[in-house]
Amino acid sequence: AQSVTQPDIHITVSEGASLELRCNYSYGATPYLFWYVQSPGQGLQLLLKYFSGDTLVQGIKGFEAEFKRSQSSFNLRKPSVHWSDAAEYFCAVEDGSSASKIIFGSGTRLSIRP
Amino acid sequence: KAGVTQTPRYLIKTRGQQVTLSCSPISGHRSVSWYQQTPGQGLQFLFEYFSETQRNKGNFPGRFSGRQFSNSRSEMNVSTLELGDSALYLCASSPKEGWSLVVPEAFFGQGTRLTVV
Repeated sequence: AQSVTQPDIHITVSEGASLELRCNYSYGATPYLFWYVQSPGQGLQLLLKYFSGDTLVQGIKGFEAEFKRSQSSFNLRKPSVHWSDAAEYFCAVEDGSSASKIIFGSGTRLSIRP
Repeated sequence: KAGVTQTPRYLIKTRGQQVTLSCSPISGHRSVSWYQQTPGQGLQFLFEYFSETQRNKGNFPGRFSGRQFSNSRSEMNVSTLELGDSALYLCASSPKEGWSLVVPEAFFGQGTRLTVV
């Protein structure tokens, strides 16, 4: 069965520092991969998605992610974080059996140190 | 273009009662999915509707049900509420109609926060 693992529950980085959030997936074929962000009390907003092609994907708010098939990873990066980036980040994969179900990781909470 | 609208935003119910949550998708989107988010279990898929038909269902008891109307609006119902049903319920709409070379994006509403006391 498809699954997504986010090994870091909580990360704190200083404002202006670079960020990398880890994500590993388990999927038999080429996965549809996503990163979503959730601010407190809010719904989910899509940051970026990967289906095929270029393994480096650019998203909104200055985020990017790199798909590495050999490592089954889809890590999210940002060169310089802003205080407004503090939120919960979810890596997700679309379930291949139905094309209608998204499987989410457990999330990584990002805190920004002033 | 209006986003996904979920009503109500907050709800408090008593154990044993039933509740109905509503989701209005983005105009033109025919697929609506529901998710439950809790601190312990994270985000879990409940079910998906497309053109008034349930297309997929997650691993939830039969107390959780849903439906979709001809205008794509969807409702989910939880009967005989339990304390463990307290959660943020998120609805997502998508223009997807099945497998496509274009990766569809699911747009999420802000959710309904259900508290069962």
